[in-house]
Amino acid sequence: AQRVTQPEKLLSVFKGAPVELKCNYSYSGSPELFWYVQYSRQRLQLLLRHISRESIKGFTADLNKGETSFHLKKPFAQEEDSAMYYCALGQGGSEKLVFGKGTKLTVNP
Amino acid sequence: DAGVIQSPRHEVTEMGQEVTLRCKPISGHNSLFWYRQTMMRGLELLIYFNNNVPIDDSGMPEDRFSAKMPNASFSTLKIQPSEPRDSAVYFCASRLAANEQFFGPGTRLTVL
Repeated sequence: AQRVTQPEKLLSVFKGAPVELKCNYSYSGSPELFWYVQYSRQRLQLLLRHISRESIKGFTADLNKGETSFHLKKPFAQEEDSAMYYCALGQGGSEKLVFGKGTKLTVNP
Repeated sequence: DAGVIQSPRHEVTEMGQEVTLRCKPISGHNSLFWYRQTMMRGLELLIYFNNNVPIDDSGMPEDRFSAKMPNASFSTLKIQPSEPRDSAVYFCASRLAANEQFFGPGTRLTVL
């Protein structure tokens, strides 16, 4: 069965410190992985997707098929990065997404 | 474009009452998704439609839940009768072909 695991429910770092939000997936097919972010009082929005291999707001994520991981990283966290982050797994054209339970990131001043 | 529109934004009702949540997808999008978000289970897909046709309703928790999409610009999620354990934030999202899903602001449902 398709599954996305985000082992950390809460993650707290200081401004300027590196941050890594972990995501592991379970899927027998060819996965499409996404990171969605939900800032306070805002709607859920796409942060980045693995196929585009781009950096958004300083965040990057590399798909590691050997480790079945898609960890989200940023070298220097900012206070405005504080939000809820969801890793999502797309199947067969990404029509259906399976989400992890999310990690709440808090960046302290 | 105002994006995906959901109404109401907040709903408080008593156990046993019928609840109807509404969603207007982004114009031109051909897929629509209903999700439920809770602290315990995170974000769960309940059902999704493609070209107004329900494709996968395996996430619908039980027969008390039903969803319809009578046309390309409107969908409803109905709970009848509602129970306290249905309290959650319900999100609607829409998508065009293989592009990203765009989420609405959500409806916060409280069943007393």
